[in-house]
Amino acid sequence: GAGVSQTPSNKVTEKGKYVELRCDPISGHTALYWYRQSLGQGPEFLIYFQGTGAADDSGLPNDRFFAVRPEGSVSTLKIQRTERGDSAVYLCASSFSSGNTIYFGEGSWLTVV
Amino acid sequence: AQSVSQHNHHVILSEAASLELGCNYSYGGTVNLFWYVQYPGQHLQLLLKYFSGDPLVKGIKGFEAEFIKSKFSFNLRKPSVQWSDTAEYFCALGNSGNTPLVFGKGTRLSVIA
Repeated sequence: GAGVSQTPSNKVTEKGKYVELRCDPISGHTALYWYRQSLGQGPEFLIYFQGTGAADDSGLPNDRFFAVRPEGSVSTLKIQRTERGDSAVYLCASSFSSGNTIYFGEGSWLTVV
Repeated sequence: AQSVSQHNHHVILSEAASLELGCNYSYGGTVNLFWYVQYPGQHLQLLLKYFSGDPLVKGIKGFEAEFIKSKFSFNLRKPSVQWSDTAEYFCALGNSGNTPLVFGKGTRLSVIA
């Protein structure tokens, strides 16, 4: 597609459940980023991929969060044993290379109840 | 460590007023600087960017920003705002290395008739 696509757009889950969020980047973009945005805050970096490998995962808050990009295109952010504090908008973005302009998707709203 | 500060949390202006949103960054090396905008209900979009060259950068919709290296600043300006400029504005910092963009907390702009 023309832009970064994220699914689902909204997800409500119960505390303790497992969640997967999917991102399909702009075709040809090798760098893919996951950010998290809470109300009243700017996007907070989680992890970024260059190709298939995680080049920097220093922003993942704890080991309940994990992300993969097995074929260098689509990425999945996985959250285990969700907590209410995980509620946020999870943003995916992509770019031709790191440090350059990144293009965001619409985000996935996650609500943990 | 890189960081971005946006001084104004919420700015309220009347239509046709001039706008200046502050952005200061902390980083000792060569920087790439960005302003992103998020209109209500929409995803983050690039407004303008500075990589090198002329420190006065012009973006879409009449916005401009000036990179002042000695002040570590990249303030956003518009001479005359419109109601449709109501949005959240985010300043972001990148560099030429393999690090993802760092965002400020954002400034909410409300333009009233």
